[in-house]
Amino acid sequence: DVKVTQSSRYLVKRTGEKVFLECVQDMDHENMFWYRQDPGLGLRLIYFSYDVKMKEKGDIPEGYSVSREKKERFSLILESASTNQTSMYLCASSGQIGNQPQHFGDGTRLSIL
Amino acid sequence: EDQVTQSPEALRLQEGESSSLNCSYTVSGLRGLFWYRQDPGKGPEFLFTLYSAGEEKEKERLKATLTKKESFLHITAPKPEDSATYLCAAVNSGGSNYKLTFGKGTLLTVNP
Repeated sequence: DVKVTQSSRYLVKRTGEKVFLECVQDMDHENMFWYRQDPGLGLRLIYFSYDVKMKEKGDIPEGYSVSREKKERFSLILESASTNQTSMYLCASSGQIGNQPQHFGDGTRLSIL
Repeated sequence: EDQVTQSPEALRLQEGESSSLNCSYTVSGLRGLFWYRQDPGKGPEFLFTLYSAGEEKEKERLKATLTKKESFLHITAPKPEDSATYLCAAVNSGGSNYKLTFGKGTLLTVNP
């Protein structure tokens, strides 16, 4: 079974802090994704990576950056956390776009105070 | 712009009462339609992929079907443990072919 592991289930940070969310997958997938999920808004794509050191912006990249130095690991960085970034963050991976499903981690519930 | 709309937003059933969830999509050149189940506080869990109209997939009490405009998730004789939010998502064959467009989900509650 595919396993996507997110480093923290719950995280509380302060406004202005730099925040790192980590995600690791064990299936040698080329593609990795970061989403945020908010009530009434559904899942929204923040950033996507299709290979090591490669990234593309999703629908809502403002205030975020990403890093993919190794194939199995994809990090989401909040450069200067703000209260409107309080959300559930979900990481996913997939083997091939369109033909294979994305598999998700259990999420990080991030609160910015 | 690709769109995925799920209905109803919420559905409450009695145990054993079969029903269907709807996912309507407007996608330029559908490449795949995915169904997920999401429990509170957890990430979406993959259920099915459908690729072409007429295709059907089954797993226990769940059956997913696909037409050219919509997909249905049929739930036969549901049990309380089937309570969850069910999400569908579509991917197109266009330029941004990495992008899944998600619906907002149907919250299913099955009462014993």
